[in-house]
Amino acid sequence: GAGVSQSPSNKVTEKGKDVELRCDPISGHTALYWYRQRLGQGLEFLIYFQGNSAPDKSGLPSDRFSAERTGESVSTLTIQRTQQEDSAVYLCASSLVADGRAPYNEQFFGPGTRLTVL
Amino acid sequence: GDSVTQMEGPVTLSEEAFLTINCTYTATGYPSLFWYVQYPGEGLQLLLKATKADDKGSNKGFEATYRKETTSFHLEKGSVQVSDSAVYFCALSEDSSYKLIFGSGTRLLVRP
Repeated sequence: GAGVSQSPSNKVTEKGKDVELRCDPISGHTALYWYRQRLGQGLEFLIYFQGNSAPDKSGLPSDRFSAERTGESVSTLTIQRTQQEDSAVYLCASSLVADGRAPYNEQFFGPGTRLTVL
Repeated sequence: GDSVTQMEGPVTLSEEAFLTINCTYTATGYPSLFWYVQYPGEGLQLLLKATKADDKGSNKGFEATYRKETTSFHLEKGSVQVSDSAVYFCALSEDSSYKLIFGSGTRLLVRP
């Protein structure tokens, strides 16, 4: 079946511009996560959605970052007034549920969007 | 806070060599531990996991044992192949949390 998809695969933008990154989770997955991977570093958690519950935004690095998700479908991560330090690969993941009940909490990752801010 | 430390790469091996990639963690509770792999041009994939102390996760010839006493989850494979060339990430999640906390990744290059 279809996995997690993300678009665009690559995005080059100028400093100060806004960007939108899209994630299509696996159908039926109630939980959706955004992570950021800077060059040579591990993945940093950004935000998490679970069904209709309030999202956990604790990982967002600044108020320039926001994300939305409609129901259990597509999510959009928006970065306003981009800065050079925002350059990274942004990864989206989804899982059936988001509690400790393995294997239902296994996260499946998309291929990522590589963002370059000039 | 919780953290994961893994050995820096790249690790370069000849085909059929033995592989060890070290991973240690710091956590306040009793986390689940994971190894993810990222093949060139592909997304992260779960390789194996262990949810409690002394559990051994295994998949595709790779193994890792959850060692609570040494807070480690080292990845091993007895005989690597060229197709194992990838970046390997160690990660944890607390029982009460959904977030994955990742190490910085270790690049493995296997030469024919």
